[in-house]
Amino acid sequence: KAGVTQTPRYLIKTRGQQVTLSCSPISGHRSVSWYQQTPGQGLQFLFEYFSETQRNKGNFPGRFSGRQFSNSRSEMNVSTLELGDSALYLCASSPAAGTSTDTQYFGPGTRLTVL
Amino acid sequence: QQPVQSPQAVILREGEDAVINCSSSKALYSVHWYRQKHGEAPVFLMILLKGGEQKGHDKISASFNEKKQQSSLYLTASQLSYSGTYFCGTVAISGVGSYQLTFGKGTKLSVIP
Repeated sequence: KAGVTQTPRYLIKTRGQQVTLSCSPISGHRSVSWYQQTPGQGLQFLFEYFSETQRNKGNFPGRFSGRQFSNSRSEMNVSTLELGDSALYLCASSPAAGTSTDTQYFGPGTRLTVL
Repeated sequence: QQPVQSPQAVILREGEDAVINCSSSKALYSVHWYRQKHGEAPVFLMILLKGGEQKGHDKISASFNEKKQQSSLYLTASQLSYSGTYFCGTVAISGVGSYQLTFGKGTKLSVIP
């Protein structure tokens, strides 16, 4: 079974631009979560989607948004990029959603650099 | 609220043991442990459910004290392959009635020959 895939793997943008990242979950998985990883902050939860609905949202500004399609693929968008948005963005999928025992399967991440 | 992990970093020689702690101020349903090697995605190690059970996986085991909302990861007879950053993830019920996994900042473990 193929793992979680994320595209693109690397991205360089300038301040003020917007960016869209894509995530394809493991086949059969319906839940997709997004995390921002920066040195010293660990993994910070952005949001989670299940069946095209956002079920949970972390403490990030409205510039960060996402969506999920009917095939469970998900996209994350960041508008008006700031230097502080430079990070590794990880996508994780799990079979179900919102259970205390869900295992997250992570993709390789998209490394975003904002200049 | 992010769980607190300690120590932030630890250096071990092969064969030594280590303990990584994770504590939360919230009532938890479960604790997850992940390991991330440099340049790779985090990989699931184990999950502990409330009930104080201890789980084991080769020479890596963990416990969960639900009264204290604390979990500890035990690495015995460490190997070079254990090097990486260990994250604990805690699950508490969220405001919308579902569960949310929140990760700590990680503990960087380096095993040297």
